[in-house]
Amino acid sequence: KQEVTQIPAALSVPEGENLVLNCSFTDSAIYNLQWFRQDPGKGLTSLLLIQSSQREQTSGRLNASLDKSSGRSTLYIAASQPGDSATYLCAASQGGSEKLVFGKGTKLTVNP
Amino acid sequence: EAGVVQSPRYKIIEKKQPVAFWCNPISGHNTLYWYRQNLGQGPELLIRYENEEAVDDSQLPKDRFSAERLKGVDSTLKIQPAELGDSAVYLCASSRRGGHGTDTQYFGPGTRLTVL
Repeated sequence: KQEVTQIPAALSVPEGENLVLNCSFTDSAIYNLQWFRQDPGKGLTSLLLIQSSQREQTSGRLNASLDKSSGRSTLYIAASQPGDSATYLCAASQGGSEKLVFGKGTKLTVNP
Repeated sequence: EAGVVQSPRYKIIEKKQPVAFWCNPISGHNTLYWYRQNLGQGPELLIRYENEEAVDDSQLPKDRFSAERLKGVDSTLKIQPAELGDSAVYLCASSRRGGHGTDTQYFGPGTRLTVL
């Protein structure tokens, strides 16, 4: 059974700082790994999707990496802004079942 | 392009009452998902539809939960009777196709259910 863990649970940084959010998964037989953002009281917004054959994906100030062998993914946010404040969720598609398994998320606060 | 629409946004009911949630996916999206998100947790899949067919409902508590997706478009999730532990946010998502989760899922704003 796939389990996804995100560390840290919460992170507070000053504006402009570069930061890394971590995600680990127990079953390396994944089809892809996705990072989502969730603002308070709202649904999830997809940020990046990394296929199992890929090592990383980039979108603007965001870069996500995937290391299947070690069961880890990282989301790198460059030059953080107060608008980046949200909860970031990592999800791995469970091999064989086509199901996304989510972590509990990391709550990011970027202080002006 | 309009996003995933859900209603109601909020619902407060007493335990043992029935409740229903409605979802309209993005036009052209064949796959529809219902998730439940408890406070401080990530979403958990309840059921996945490919067009009209429920292809993964292993996490759906079938004694009290039911779902349908008529004509392969809109979907309704029902709870009868509701229990205190059902208080959560119910999220609907859609994607162009399923297939090993290879396609981006687009989420609606969710319905926050409170059972008193």
